[in-house]
Amino acid sequence: DIQMTQSPSSLSASVGDRVTITCRASQSISSYLNWYQQKPGKAPKLLIYAASSLQSGVPSRFSGSGSGTDFTLTISSLQPEDFATYYCQQSYSTLSITFGQGTRLEIK
Amino acid sequence: EVQLVESGGGLVQPGRSLRLSCAASGFTFDDYAMHWVRQAPGKGLEWVSGISWNSGSIGYADSVKGRFTISRDNAKNSLYLQMNSLRAEDTALYYCAKDRDIVVVPAAIFDYWGQGTLVTVSS
Repeated sequence: DIQMTQSPSSLSASVGDRVTITCRASQSISSYLNWYQQKPGKAPKLLIYAASSLQSGVPSRFSGSGSGTDFTLTISSLQPEDFATYYCQQSYSTLSITFGQGTRLEIK
Repeated sequence: EVQLVESGGGLVQPGRSLRLSCAASGFTFDDYAMHWVRQAPGKGLEWVSGISWNSGSIGYADSVKGRFTISRDNAKNSLYLQMNSLRAEDTALYYCAKDRDIVVVPAAIFDYWGQGTLVTVSS
């Protein structure tokens, strides 16, 4: 199985900050990397797919980059509604899917 | 509006079985692959199983292989997960998730999720 490792596991930031979350795959996954946001008590929400494509309806302050084994999710200017847990997920092996362990983004 | 509504969760003893259902609406169900993803209390997301639009491609996480069976009924716009030989570590909120793209092999990009059904395995 492809292992996905996110860093950091948790992060404190302030409204208006620029934030970057990293995801590393245990082998090359090309650009088959997706990012989700999950708020407490809610289902996950797709933010970014194929490493850098913004899902319809997602604010443009969210962006993704990377290919191969190293990927980043960037929030350009944190808004109050962005405080949540973020997960990366590889879709390279489409019927052997793995998620990162999550990054909890908290208010400083 | 896309809707995915899971049902069938509950409290079950170790070793017993449970069948989850996911009722889909608001899209052409038989065009898309579907998946089950679970989340243990306070933990991260774990993909459980996925099935292509025509049931021709199916996959399972190693943790459930041989115990769980995914299926779908396109005439009823429904996805199922038969869970046998349940263990305490299967306790989780089980989400049904839709694949984003219409492709032959599942793309495994989850653009819509249900609200989940809770499975608790305990004696």
